[in-house]
Amino acid sequence: GEDVEQSLFLSVREGDSSVINCTYTDSSSTYLYWYKQEPGAGLQLLTYIFSNMDMKQDQRLTVLLNKKDKHLSLRIADTQTGDSAIYFCAEKRRGYNKLIFGAGTRLAVHP
Amino acid sequence: NAGVTQTPKFQVLKTGQSMTLQCAQDMNHEYMSWYRQDPGMGLRLIHYSVGAGITDQGEVPNGYNVSRSTTEDFPLRLLSAAPSQTSVYFCASSSLAGSSYEQYFGPGTRLTVT
Repeated sequence: GEDVEQSLFLSVREGDSSVINCTYTDSSSTYLYWYKQEPGAGLQLLTYIFSNMDMKQDQRLTVLLNKKDKHLSLRIADTQTGDSAIYFCAEKRRGYNKLIFGAGTRLAVHP
Repeated sequence: NAGVTQTPKFQVLKTGQSMTLQCAQDMNHEYMSWYRQDPGMGLRLIHYSVGAGITDQGEVPNGYNVSRSTTEDFPLRLLSAAPSQTSVYFCASSSLAGSSYEQYFGPGTRLTVT
Protein backbone atom coordinates (compact mmCIF):
# COMPACT_ATOMS: atom_id res chain seq x y z
CA GLY A 1 0.00 0.00 0.00
CA GLU A 2 0.91 3.68 -0.22
CA ASP A 3 0.45 4.61 3.41
CA VAL A 4 2.91 6.30 5.69
CA GLU A 5 1.34 6.22 9.13
CA GLN A 6 1.83 8.40 12.16
CA SER A 7 -0.08 8.91 15.37
CA LEU A 8 -1.97 12.18 15.18
CA PHE A 9 -1.20 13.75 18.54
CA LEU A 10 1.51 13.80 21.21
CA SER A 11 1.59 15.86 24.40
CA VAL A 12 4.79 16.26 26.45
CA ARG A 13 5.99 18.34 29.35
CA GLU A 14 8.60 21.02 28.71
CA GLY A 15 12.08 19.62 29.31
CA ASP A 16 11.08 16.01 28.67
CA SER A 17 12.02 14.04 25.56
CA SER A 18 9.49 13.61 22.75
CA VAL A 19 9.40 10.57 20.52
CA ILE A 20 7.37 10.74 17.32
CA ASN A 21 6.88 7.48 15.48
CA CYS A 22 6.22 6.64 11.84
CA THR A 23 5.75 3.43 9.88
CA TYR A 24 6.15 3.10 6.15
CA THR A 25 5.28 0.32 3.78
CA ASP A 26 7.85 0.19 0.99
CA SER A 27 11.14 -1.55 1.66
CA SER A 28 12.62 0.12 -1.43
CA SER A 29 12.47 3.54 0.23
CA THR A 30 15.83 5.22 -0.18
CA TYR A 31 15.47 8.30 2.03
CA LEU A 32 13.20 9.06 4.96
CA TYR A 33 12.52 12.59 6.14
CA TRP A 34 11.17 14.56 9.05
CA TYR A 35 9.54 17.90 8.36
CA LYS A 36 8.23 20.46 10.85
CA GLN A 37 5.26 22.73 10.20
CA GLU A 38 4.57 25.66 12.50
CA PRO A 39 1.10 27.28 12.47
CA GLY A 40 0.37 29.15 9.26
CA ALA A 41 3.71 28.23 7.71
CA GLY A 42 5.09 25.85 5.12
CA LEU A 43 7.06 22.71 5.88
CA GLN A 44 10.64 22.96 7.03
CA LEU A 45 13.02 20.05 6.55
CA LEU A 46 14.40 19.03 9.95
CA THR A 47 16.51 16.04 9.02
CA TYR A 48 16.64 13.00 6.80
CA ILE A 49 18.24 9.59 6.90
CA PHE A 50 19.47 7.34 4.15
CA SER A 51 18.06 3.84 4.20
CA ASN A 52 21.42 2.18 4.84
CA MET A 53 21.77 4.03 8.16
CA ASP A 54 20.30 3.03 11.52
CA MET A 55 20.67 6.31 13.34
CA LYS A 56 21.39 9.96 12.74
CA GLN A 57 21.91 12.59 15.41
CA ASP A 58 21.77 16.34 14.94
CA GLN A 59 21.92 18.41 18.13
CA ARG A 60 18.66 17.72 20.02
CA LEU A 61 17.29 15.51 17.25
CA THR A 62 17.88 11.77 16.96
CA VAL A 63 16.44 9.73 14.11
CA LEU A 64 16.23 5.96 14.45
CA LEU A 65 15.47 3.68 11.52
CA ASN A 66 14.42 0.05 11.87
CA LYS A 67 14.36 -1.27 8.33
CA LYS A 68 13.12 -4.72 9.30
CA ASP A 69 9.98 -3.27 10.88
CA LYS A 70 9.84 -0.26 8.49
CA HIS A 71 9.73 2.00 11.52
CA LEU A 72 11.16 5.50 11.79
CA SER A 73 11.26 7.65 14.90
CA LEU A 74 12.25 11.20 15.77
CA ARG A 75 13.40 11.93 19.29
CA ILE A 76 13.58 15.52 20.45
CA ALA A 77 15.63 15.94 23.62
CA ASP A 78 14.80 18.66 26.17
CA THR A 79 11.57 19.59 24.37
CA GLN A 80 10.79 23.30 24.39
CA THR A 81 7.59 25.26 23.74
CA GLY A 82 9.09 26.33 20.41
CA ASP A 83 9.01 22.68 19.36
CA SER A 84 5.19 22.75 19.35
CA ALA A 85 4.26 22.07 15.73
CA ILE A 86 3.09 19.36 13.36
CA TYR A 87 5.79 16.85 12.41
CA PHE A 88 5.56 15.00 9.12
CA CYS A 89 7.32 11.81 8.21
CA ALA A 90 7.95 11.24 4.47
CA GLU A 91 9.60 8.59 2.34
CA LYS A 92 11.19 8.61 -1.08
CA ARG A 93 10.88 5.35 -2.97
CA ARG A 94 13.51 4.11 -5.37
CA GLY A 95 12.73 5.07 -8.94
CA TYR A 96 10.02 7.57 -8.02
CA ASN A 97 10.42 11.34 -8.29
CA LYS A 98 8.17 12.14 -5.35
CA LEU A 99 7.79 11.95 -1.60
CA ILE A 100 4.99 10.17 0.23
CA PHE A 101 3.92 12.00 3.39
CA GLY A 102 2.23 10.82 6.54
CA ALA A 103 -0.72 12.70 7.97
CA GLY A 104 1.45 14.48 10.54
CA THR A 105 1.79 14.31 14.34
CA ARG A 106 0.77 17.39 16.30
CA LEU A 107 3.21 17.89 19.19
CA ALA A 108 1.92 19.97 22.09
CA VAL A 109 4.45 21.05 24.74
CA HIS A 110 3.04 22.13 28.09
CA PRO A 111 4.74 23.61 31.16
CA ASN B 1 17.80 33.89 -2.04
CA ALA B 2 14.05 34.22 -1.58
CA GLY B 3 13.67 30.45 -1.77
CA VAL B 4 10.20 29.29 -2.82
CA THR B 5 7.57 32.01 -3.08
CA GLN B 6 3.83 31.60 -3.57
CA THR B 7 1.08 34.05 -4.38
CA PRO B 8 -1.54 34.78 -3.31
CA LYS B 9 -1.46 33.88 0.40
CA PHE B 10 -5.24 33.72 0.63
CA GLN B 11 -7.97 33.40 -2.01
CA VAL B 12 -11.73 32.98 -1.98
CA LEU B 13 -13.41 31.71 -5.14
CA LYS B 14 -16.95 30.97 -6.12
CA THR B 15 -17.78 27.54 -7.52
CA GLY B 16 -16.99 27.43 -11.22
CA GLN B 17 -14.44 30.23 -11.22
CA SER B 18 -10.91 29.60 -12.47
CA MET B 19 -7.65 30.91 -11.14
CA THR B 20 -3.90 30.35 -11.15
CA LEU B 21 -1.76 29.85 -8.07
CA GLN B 22 1.74 31.13 -8.66
CA CYS B 23 4.96 29.47 -7.52
CA ALA B 24 8.52 30.58 -8.16
CA GLN B 25 11.93 29.50 -6.90
CA ASP B 26 15.33 31.12 -7.31
CA MET B 27 17.51 28.13 -6.42
CA ASN B 28 17.76 26.77 -9.96
CA HIS B 29 16.04 23.57 -8.84
CA GLU B 30 14.99 21.15 -11.53
CA TYR B 31 12.21 19.51 -9.52
CA MET B 32 9.05 21.39 -8.55
CA SER B 33 5.79 20.08 -7.18
CA TRP B 34 2.38 21.06 -5.88
CA TYR B 35 0.72 19.52 -2.82
CA ARG B 36 -2.56 20.08 -1.12
CA GLN B 37 -2.92 19.78 2.64
CA ASP B 38 -6.21 18.75 4.19
CA PRO B 39 -6.85 18.08 7.89
CA GLY B 40 -5.93 14.55 8.93
CA MET B 41 -4.68 13.65 5.45
CA GLY B 42 -1.19 15.08 5.36
CA LEU B 43 0.13 16.30 2.04
CA ARG B 44 -1.04 14.84 -1.23
CA LEU B 45 0.86 15.36 -4.45
CA ILE B 46 -1.12 17.05 -7.23
CA HIS B 47 1.42 17.49 -10.05
CA TYR B 48 5.15 17.63 -10.35
CA SER B 49 7.85 18.55 -12.85
CA VAL B 50 11.45 17.38 -13.26
CA GLY B 51 12.42 20.22 -15.59
CA ALA B 52 11.19 22.86 -18.00
CA GLY B 53 8.70 21.39 -20.43
CA ILE B 54 8.16 18.21 -18.39
CA THR B 55 5.22 17.66 -16.05
CA ASP B 56 3.54 14.60 -14.58
CA GLN B 57 0.56 13.75 -12.44
CA GLY B 58 0.66 12.99 -8.75
CA GLU B 59 -1.97 11.31 -6.57
CA VAL B 60 -4.79 13.86 -6.96
CA PRO B 61 -4.44 15.63 -10.34
CA ASN B 62 -8.10 15.93 -11.34
CA GLY B 63 -9.32 19.52 -11.65
CA TYR B 64 -5.80 20.97 -11.85
CA ASN B 65 -3.44 21.82 -14.67
CA VAL B 66 0.22 22.76 -14.60
CA SER B 67 2.86 23.92 -17.03
CA ARG B 68 6.60 24.49 -16.72
CA SER B 69 7.84 26.91 -19.33
CA THR B 70 10.83 28.05 -17.25
CA THR B 71 12.98 26.50 -14.53
CA GLU B 72 11.84 29.15 -12.04
CA ASP B 73 8.05 29.07 -12.36
CA PHE B 74 5.47 26.34 -11.85
CA PRO B 75 1.91 27.73 -11.84
CA LEU B 76 -1.07 25.62 -10.80
CA ARG B 77 -4.38 26.28 -12.56
CA LEU B 78 -7.79 25.47 -11.20
CA LEU B 79 -10.01 25.10 -14.23
CA SER B 80 -13.45 25.26 -12.58
CA ALA B 81 -13.23 25.57 -8.81
CA ALA B 82 -15.26 23.22 -6.63
CA PRO B 83 -15.82 23.26 -2.82
CA SER B 84 -13.79 20.02 -2.62
CA GLN B 85 -10.76 22.08 -3.68
CA THR B 86 -10.88 24.14 -0.50
CA SER B 87 -7.48 23.43 0.96
CA VAL B 88 -4.03 24.79 1.65
CA TYR B 89 -1.73 24.48 -1.35
CA PHE B 90 2.02 24.16 -1.05
CA CYS B 91 4.62 24.40 -3.75
CA ALA B 92 7.99 22.73 -3.22
CA SER B 93 11.25 22.44 -5.12
CA SER B 94 14.40 20.38 -4.92
CA SER B 95 17.61 19.79 -6.77
CA LEU B 96 18.02 16.56 -8.70
CA ALA B 97 21.81 16.84 -8.54
CA GLY B 98 22.09 14.67 -5.45
CA SER B 99 19.79 11.81 -4.61
CA SER B 100 18.42 13.03 -1.31
CA TYR B 101 15.51 15.03 -2.76
CA GLU B 102 15.50 17.58 0.04
CA GLN B 103 12.39 19.57 -0.73
CA TYR B 104 12.02 23.26 0.09
CA PHE B 105 8.47 24.45 0.65
CA GLY B 106 6.77 27.75 0.02
CA PRO B 107 4.57 29.39 2.69
CA GLY B 108 1.33 28.12 1.15
CA THR B 109 -1.86 29.49 -0.39
CA ARG B 110 -5.06 29.06 1.60
CA LEU B 111 -7.93 28.62 -0.86
CA THR B 112 -11.62 28.65 0.01
CA VAL B 113 -14.24 27.75 -2.61
CA THR B 114 -17.81 28.71 -1.75
